[in-house]
Amino acid sequence: KAGVTQTPRYLIKTRGQQVTLSCSPISGHRSVSWYQQTPGQGLQFLFEYFSETQRNKGNFPGRFSGRQFSNSRSEMNVSTLELGDSALYLCASSSGQGAWNEKLFFGSGTQLSVL
Amino acid sequence: AQTVTQSQPEMSVQEAETVTLSCTYDTSESDYYLFWYKQPPSRQMILVIRQEAYKQQNATENRFSVNFQKAAKSFSLKISDSQLGDAAMYFCAYRSAVLIQGAQKLVFGQGTRLTINP
Repeated sequence: KAGVTQTPRYLIKTRGQQVTLSCSPISGHRSVSWYQQTPGQGLQFLFEYFSETQRNKGNFPGRFSGRQFSNSRSEMNVSTLELGDSALYLCASSSGQGAWNEKLFFGSGTQLSVL
Repeated sequence: AQTVTQSQPEMSVQEAETVTLSCTYDTSESDYYLFWYKQPPSRQMILVIRQEAYKQQNATENRFSVNFQKAAKSFSLKISDSQLGDAAMYFCAYRSAVLIQGAQKLVFGQGTRLTINP
């Protein structure tokens, strides 16, 4: 079974631009979550999508948005990039059923650098 | 809001010895889940062990075990017989059990970098 795939692995953008990151979950998984990882703030929850609907949202400005397609693939978009958006963006997939022992599978992330 | 604190930014241990990583958390909820994740240089987060808050028995997974003290809100990870492959960042994480059914939202600690000395 293929794991969680995130593309691209690395991305360099300049301030003011926008960026779209992609996440393909494990086959059969309907939940995709996104996290931002920075040295200063650590790992922070961005949002979660389940069956194309945003089910949960963290405390990030509206510049951060996402969506999920009918095949469960998810995209995350950041508009008007700021230097502080430089981070590793991780996505994770799960079945989304909420069982206590439900496992979360992470991708290897997209490293975004904003210059 | 829940918070997770890992007070040890770095730890080191000799190969084959035992090391304990600390984690404390703050919550007003009575039902929740706790996790330890490992992040090697590949950056992929890997689940090491998990614990349900209402279970008194401490979880174990091979060489990994936890000491869960609910009243003290403490959740430490013990790694026995440390191996070179255990070197990584370790994150403690909290997940509420009272969110929307099935919702996934982890609150992470700042992490502990574990070095294994041969």
